[in-house]
Amino acid sequence: AQKITQTQPGMFVQEKEAVTLDCTYDTSDPSYGLFWYKQPSSGEMIFLIYQGSYDQQNATEGRYSLNFQKARKSANLVISASQLGDSAMYFCAMREGMDSSYKLIFGSGTRLLVRP
Amino acid sequence: SQTIHQWPATLVQPVGSPLSLECTVEGTSNPNLYWYRQAAGRGLQLLFYSVGIGQISSEVPQNLSASRPQDRQFILSSKKLLLSDSGFYLCAWALVGGEAFFGQGTRLTVV
Repeated sequence: AQKITQTQPGMFVQEKEAVTLDCTYDTSDPSYGLFWYKQPSSGEMIFLIYQGSYDQQNATEGRYSLNFQKARKSANLVISASQLGDSAMYFCAMREGMDSSYKLIFGSGTRLLVRP
Repeated sequence: SQTIHQWPATLVQPVGSPLSLECTVEGTSNPNLYWYRQAAGRGLQLLFYSVGIGQISSEVPQNLSASRPQDRQFILSSKKLLLSDSGFYLCAWALVGGEAFFGQGTRLTVV
């Protein structure tokens, strides 16, 4: 069963505008973590932001923020003031469990293209 | 600081040949280790993960195997490659509760 769903295969945004990339997840574990990664055309995976299931506030890292809606099981990434260098694939990921044995699974990704 | 090394960066192998991709981590102890495969333009498929030496969990039954002979070494192998094994292979490590850090990846083409 698909546990991480990214429903937007591709997105366009105008430079300097904000964009929201959607991510929904499914888990019955009360302890989990949610991650967003950026993958430029070079292929490297760049960690952007993390949200723990017990965190009371939405995570923020510079221009990145995570809109965490626990009841809806969504963890959308918001990129403010888009830059041309933000054009890349973006992946949402989930880690279930807080002990030493855990899997880290990824969604199918969203390709973001920033227009000048 | 922690670093992860993955090699080779690119590999072209004939069908039926063996495969060995190696990943090593420096600067940390007892990490969780992961192998992912990514088809062109697609998401990351978790292949194997390991929480300790000799402990391997397989996520997708296929023509591949993994081993962890040392704490910070993770090896992906195949005895006979198939065309469908082509893809971008990524190794990653993480500590409990932390984010995963990825290697640079190996682009494998089976011909």
